[in-house]
Amino acid sequence: DGGITQSPKYLFRKEGQNVTLSCEQNLNHDAMYWYRQDPGQGLRLIYYSQIVNDFQKGDIAEGYSVSREKKESFPLTVTSAQKNPTAFYLCASSAHAGTSGTGAYNEQFFGPGTRLTVL
Amino acid sequence: GDSVTQMEGPVTLSEEAFLTINCTYTATGYPSLFWYVQYPGEGLQLLLKATKADDKGSNKGFEATYRKETTSFHLEKGSVQVSDSAVYFCALKRNTGNQFYFGTGTSLTVIP
Repeated sequence: DGGITQSPKYLFRKEGQNVTLSCEQNLNHDAMYWYRQDPGQGLRLIYYSQIVNDFQKGDIAEGYSVSREKKESFPLTVTSAQKNPTAFYLCASSAHAGTSGTGAYNEQFFGPGTRLTVL
Repeated sequence: GDSVTQMEGPVTLSEEAFLTINCTYTATGYPSLFWYVQYPGEGLQLLLKATKADDKGSNKGFEATYRKETTSFHLEKGSVQVSDSAVYFCALKRNTGNQFYFGTGTSLTVIP
């Protein structure tokens, strides 16, 4: 089955610790994304990557870091610099539509999410 | 900049009632439009999409029509079920660039 997996489902962090959230996809998608979702709110983009070894900051990148060493993997590190990290984190990926040459992408596919709680 | 505005929730309906969740957008050019659904504690699932003006996306009894003249993509369902209780997100993506823009979500509860 093709899809996106995120692990762990629940993660607890002590203040001052860095933690890394895993995101893996076997859909052969070029683009991958990380979003943060707070209770009752929409999605806010943290980072995204269009291709291996390249990524761009989203709207709320401060206190987070990412890497894209492999096409199928896009881990997110929540650093101690992130002052309010308790949230639900969603990873997504999308394929390049490739038909018009405009760089258009199809819809995003989402993983099941990781709920991070700071103790 | 690009943005999506959707109807504030929460919305509570009785089973078999008609559902409309409004969504309007601001974007340059001709974006693609999407509706996603999120069940409690889960990620988002694509519900339907439309990629050009006057397209109608449909799935599982839900429909939405891409209206360029009113910059809208309202979600409708003729008869909701308890299992439709979830949060619904409207989203857009421009044909250039790789960012998606999401609305804030509308929570729907359907009571028997």
